[in-house]
Amino acid sequence: AQRVTQPEKLLSVFKGAPVELKCNYSYSGSPELFWYVQYSRQRLQLLLRHISRESIKGFTADLNKGETSFHLKKPFAQEEDSAMYYCALSGVNSGGYQKVTFGTGTKLQVIP
Amino acid sequence: SQTIHQWPATLVQPVGSPLSLECTVEGTSNPNLYWYRQAAGRGLQLLFYSVGIGQISSEVPQNLSASRPQDRQFILSSKKLLLSDSGFYLCAWSGDMARSGRSYEQYFGPGTRLTVT
Repeated sequence: AQRVTQPEKLLSVFKGAPVELKCNYSYSGSPELFWYVQYSRQRLQLLLRHISRESIKGFTADLNKGETSFHLKKPFAQEEDSAMYYCALSGVNSGGYQKVTFGTGTKLQVIP
Repeated sequence: SQTIHQWPATLVQPVGSPLSLECTVEGTSNPNLYWYRQAAGRGLQLLFYSVGIGQISSEVPQNLSASRPQDRQFILSSKKLLLSDSGFYLCAWSGDMARSGRSYEQYFGPGTRLTVT
């Protein structure tokens, strides 16, 4: 079974402070991990994926297989980063099809 | 470019009434399709997914059902709504991993807010 845990429902930080949104996963195979973001009144959309190893809007996330984590980080938070963030894991189910499991989400609130 | 539509945007239905939510995708073929329910504090719960016409997998036993009558059409239904069916329903699509061997990102629709009274 695959599982994604986001321990924080709400994370409040001041503008300019570092941000770390935690994500831990459980999966027996080789996972592919994603971070999705939902800004107010907008659709849920992909922020970044671990395979790309890219930085999007200043955010990065490193897959740590030893700790089974994929934490999202940004050195200096901006007000426009306030949103709901979901960590997601893509694996292959018993039928050989892609199955995506989402965490419960973390609401990031950046205080001016 | 690909787009995904959902309707209606909002719906208020009495308990015991039927439900039909529709999702359509444009600009791609043979997508994987998904229905999620998004609830505060519970995140995104996968309800159904489909890898092809008539192929539906249910993740959570419940009062709902899904159908895929056409390649790019995905319908969420219920014969009799319960109060607990209230929520925000999201449809999503992705590429077909089975063909490519890689995972694709999911693209989400605007969602339907369902209130059962």
